[in-house]
Amino acid sequence: EAGVTQFPSHSVIEKGQTVTLRCDPISGHDNLYWYRRVMGKEIKFLLHFVKESKQDESGMPNNRFLAERTGGTYSTLKVQPAELEDSGVYFCASSRIGYTGELFFGEGSRLTVL
Amino acid sequence: QKEVEQNSGPLSVPEGAIASLNCTYSDRGSQSFFWYRQYSGKSPELIMFIYSNGDKEDGRFTAQLNKASQYVSLLIRDSQPSDSATYLCAVNSGVTGGGNKLTFGTGTQLKVEL
Repeated sequence: EAGVTQFPSHSVIEKGQTVTLRCDPISGHDNLYWYRRVMGKEIKFLLHFVKESKQDESGMPNNRFLAERTGGTYSTLKVQPAELEDSGVYFCASSRIGYTGELFFGEGSRLTVL
Repeated sequence: QKEVEQNSGPLSVPEGAIASLNCTYSDRGSQSFFWYRQYSGKSPELIMFIYSNGDKEDGRFTAQLNKASQYVSLLIRDSQPSDSATYLCAVNSGVTGGGNKLTFGTGTQLKVEL
């Protein structure tokens, strides 16, 4: 069984540009989460999808961030326009519906905004 | 006060010793507690989770939970160099729509020395 995959693994962009991160969850996992780790800080929750619906987006920093999950499969997280403080590692995680145990994490997408 | 606090380390222990990793949390309503291990540049992977007060053992790992003191720990017996990693404590801060919203600590770096 393939794990959670994220693309790209590393992106370097200029301030003001746009970046789109993609996450493919484990097949059959209806829960999909985005988390972010800014350097020196803890991993923080951004939002939670159940299938294609946003269940909780209380962690999204501002309206420069847009997450989508087309057809309840893969998800994208777009940052537009990117700011310096958006630099960090963006993790995606997935789990089965109704399951309150383990979240399966991807390796993360490292975003560097110059 | 941070919601989940961990000593950042590094915690250095000799090979074969017991490593003790500690975590405190602020939300008394938290229900479940997780220990993730993360190697540099890799995805966090679940080591143990615990819901009830007391000890839970799995191989060389023992998780301990004391809800009255809002304290959770992870003991690693017979530490091996391959255990060298960052250990993340995570607390379930809300079950939304059949999922799991985790609040993480900043992690403790463990170094097991030969």
